[in-house]
Amino acid sequence: DVKVTQSSRYLVKRTGEKVFLECVQDMDHENMFWYRQDPGLGLRLIYFSYDVKMKEKGDIPEGYSVSREKKERFSLILESASTNQTSMYLCASKRTGLASGNTIYFGEGSWLTVV
Amino acid sequence: DQQVKQNSPSLSVQEGRISILNCDYTNSMFDYFLWYKKYPAEGPTFLISISSIKDKNEDGRFTVFLNKSAKHLSLHIVPSQPGDSAVYFCAASPNFGNEKLTFGTGTRLTIIP
Repeated sequence: DVKVTQSSRYLVKRTGEKVFLECVQDMDHENMFWYRQDPGLGLRLIYFSYDVKMKEKGDIPEGYSVSREKKERFSLILESASTNQTSMYLCASKRTGLASGNTIYFGEGSWLTVV
Repeated sequence: DQQVKQNSPSLSVQEGRISILNCDYTNSMFDYFLWYKKYPAEGPTFLISISSIKDKNEDGRFTVFLNKSAKHLSLHIVPSQPGDSAVYFCAASPNFGNEKLTFGTGTRLTIIP
């Protein structure tokens, strides 16, 4: 079974702090994603990465950056946390190619509260 | 601009009856559609998918219907069970194998025993 692990389930940070959300997948997937989930807005893509050191902006990249130094690890960075970044953050991974279709596997989520 | 819309934020259905969840999309380039299910404090899990070359796909109690001319898809669950209570997201991509998915806003389904 694919396992996507988000190291921090619940975090409380202060406005202006730098925040790191870490994600590791164990299935050698090429693609990794960061989404955030907000009531009434669904899941919105922040960034994704299709290979080590490669990244592409999603729909709402402002205020975020990412790092992918190793294939299995994808980090989301909030350079200076703000209260409007309080949300549930979901990491996901997917293998490239038609064989796996478009099945994305999600982690359990990280609840971030910025005060 | 919400390209994938789920206009019903919530739905309550009696146990044993049929649950119908709806999803509309605006981008005519979308060609592959999926449904995900999410329990509280867990990540979404894949449920069922459909390609635009089909208008129906079944998997046990779950059936997805696609009306491409109306840009509309629906998920039917029959019979509904208490364990089906969750938030359901539809998602779309321009083609099968595309790495990016666009998700809808979600519908919270509650099954009443």
